[in-house]
Amino acid sequence: EAGVVQSPRYKIIEKKQPVAFWCNPISGHNTLYWYLQNLGQGPELLIRYENEEAVDDSQLPKDRFSAERLKGVDSTLKIQPAELGDSAVYLCASSLDLNGVEQFFGPGTRLTVL
Amino acid sequence: RKEVEQDPGPFNVPEGATVAFNCTYSNSASQSFFWYRQDCRKEPKLLMSVYSSGNEDGRFTAQLNRASQYISLLIRDSKLSDSATYLCVVKSAGNNRKLIWGLGTSLAVNP
Repeated sequence: EAGVVQSPRYKIIEKKQPVAFWCNPISGHNTLYWYLQNLGQGPELLIRYENEEAVDDSQLPKDRFSAERLKGVDSTLKIQPAELGDSAVYLCASSLDLNGVEQFFGPGTRLTVL
Repeated sequence: RKEVEQDPGPFNVPEGATVAFNCTYSNSASQSFFWYRQDCRKEPKLLMSVYSSGNEDGRFTAQLNRASQYISLLIRDSKLSDSATYLCVVKSAGNNRKLIWGLGTSLAVNP
């Protein structure tokens, strides 16, 4: 069974440029999460979807970050414009539902903003 | 005070040693508890859930102390392959059911 797929794996951009990340969760998983992880830190939740509904986006910096999960499957996370401090690993995870014990993570996208 | 706190380490131990990590949480209504493992430059993966009665999986033992609001992870007979960051995760109660992640504890097992 395929795991969570993310692309791109690496992205280098200049500040003020836009960037987008894509995630395909495990088939049948209704809940999808986007996390940000800095070096030496634990994952920080940005947004959580239950099917196509964002049930928790309280930690998403809405002035520059946006996300969507059309049709309740794939999801994209966008940053526009990117800032130097956005350099981090962006992790996507999925679980069967909000009660899912285990979250399955994708390999992440490592973003470097120059 | 952070909602979930861990000693970041690093813990440097020789092969065969026993090592224990603690994690404290601030919300007494927290519902579920987990340990995840994250290898360098890899994604986190579930190591084990932590049950009220404690649970054991081979060389790994997890325990929950609700009165003192902490969970622990014990690794016996450490292997080189145990070197990783161990993340404590706490699920809040209620409809929100948010997962709160600790910063992780770094373990290096040396030959």
